[in-house]
Amino acid sequence: DSGVTQTPKHLITATGQRVTLRCSPRSGDLSVYWYQQSLDQGLQFLIQYYNGEERAKGNILERFSAQQFPDLHSELNLSSLELGDSALYFCASSVALTNTGELFFGEGSRLTVL
Amino acid sequence: QKEVEQDPGPLSVPEGAIVSLNCTYSNSAFQYFMWYRQYSRKGPELLMYTYSSGNKEDGRFTAQVDKSSKYISLFIRDSQPSDSATYLCAYSSASKIIFGSGTRLSIRP
Repeated sequence: DSGVTQTPKHLITATGQRVTLRCSPRSGDLSVYWYQQSLDQGLQFLIQYYNGEERAKGNILERFSAQQFPDLHSELNLSSLELGDSALYFCASSVALTNTGELFFGEGSRLTVL
Repeated sequence: QKEVEQDPGPLSVPEGAIVSLNCTYSNSAFQYFMWYRQYSRKGPELLMYTYSSGNKEDGRFTAQVDKSSKYISLFIRDSQPSDSATYLCAYSSASKIIFGSGTRLSIRP
């Protein structure tokens, strides 16, 4: 158990809908990262937050947004969903601001868009 | 050109064999080099990380980094069926952490 909690584990929704994925980092970790994993794209970095502030952006679509709250949990919002958004979404956390690469991953939220 | 290239496999070897997994990268700004292991339906977990060229050992696992040639390798000695998983290389710079696409490894009993 990595200590990172993600909910929901599974989500099935329709095209055009909006969903919110939630992540609670390990106790004491201030950085939260979101990744998307699909079969043909591998693990794609979306966005990083540190102590409530956005620190780095990757290949995150404009339809997607995220935030980190004062209690350090984070939410990833996906809107106007398309079939291609079906993927595993991982949250990871680390204690540091700088990217040493030591990330602790949750078990992921599997999103299916029909 | 992708920043990280990793052979997707799948790779199937008999139990007890030595496994060699490789990645190449193009960004000289990468400072840390990692290997993650991901079991089916689970999140990736960190196996090893290093920041310097050379070898780093941890039990049956050895990570090798060659910064001049921009490649990293992971060697698994005395491979076990429990090593069957997807192995992802990863690199980090100040601004981001990039993962390879992963190599699916299967160890046959």
